[in-house]
Amino acid sequence: KAGVTQTPRYLIKTRGQQVTLSCSPISGHRSVSWYQQTPGQGLQFLFEYFSETQRNKGNFPGRFSGRQFSNSRSEMNVSTLELGDSALYLCASSRDSSQETQYFGPGTRLLVL
Amino acid sequence: QQQVKQSPQSLIVQKGGISIINCAYENTAFDYFPWYQQFPGKGPALLIAIRPDVSEKKEGRFTISFNKSAKQFSLHIMDSQPGDSATYFCAAKAAGNKLTFGGGTRVLVKP
Repeated sequence: KAGVTQTPRYLIKTRGQQVTLSCSPISGHRSVSWYQQTPGQGLQFLFEYFSETQRNKGNFPGRFSGRQFSNSRSEMNVSTLELGDSALYLCASSRDSSQETQYFGPGTRLLVL
Repeated sequence: QQQVKQSPQSLIVQKGGISIINCAYENTAFDYFPWYQQFPGKGPALLIAIRPDVSEKKEGRFTISFNKSAKQFSLHIMDSQPGDSATYFCAAKAAGNKLTFGGGTRVLVKP
């Protein structure tokens, strides 16, 4: 069974631009969560989607948004990029809404210049 | 607000030794406590998890010890191997809520 895939793996953007990251969960998994990982702040929860509905949201500004499609694939968008948005963005999928067993993808490394 | 505090930030252990990582939490609603292992360039991978009704869980060389009254739990890596060199994250979750991670511990196992 294929794991969680994230595209692109690496991305370089400049301040003020926007970016869209994509996540394909494990087949049959309906829950997708997004995390931001930085050396200083560690793993920070962004949001979680289950059956196309956002169920939980972390403490990030409105520039960070996401959505989930009917096939469970998810995208997250960051608008008006700031230098501090440079991070590894991780997607995790789980089979159901409990989110307990989460399987992480390899992440998208975003560098904002 | 950091709800899960993890220590130490890093540790070095000799091959064959025991690595011990500790986590403390504040939210008594947490009812699921997983540990994740992350290698450079990879996403975290679930290692082992425990619920508060169990005081200890062992899977191979990895053991979680849980102390509900002290609101602490720890990961023991027995017979540590160079391949165990990675960053380890504890986490906690309450039903219906997000997974909250500790700050991570970078483990280096020297051959």
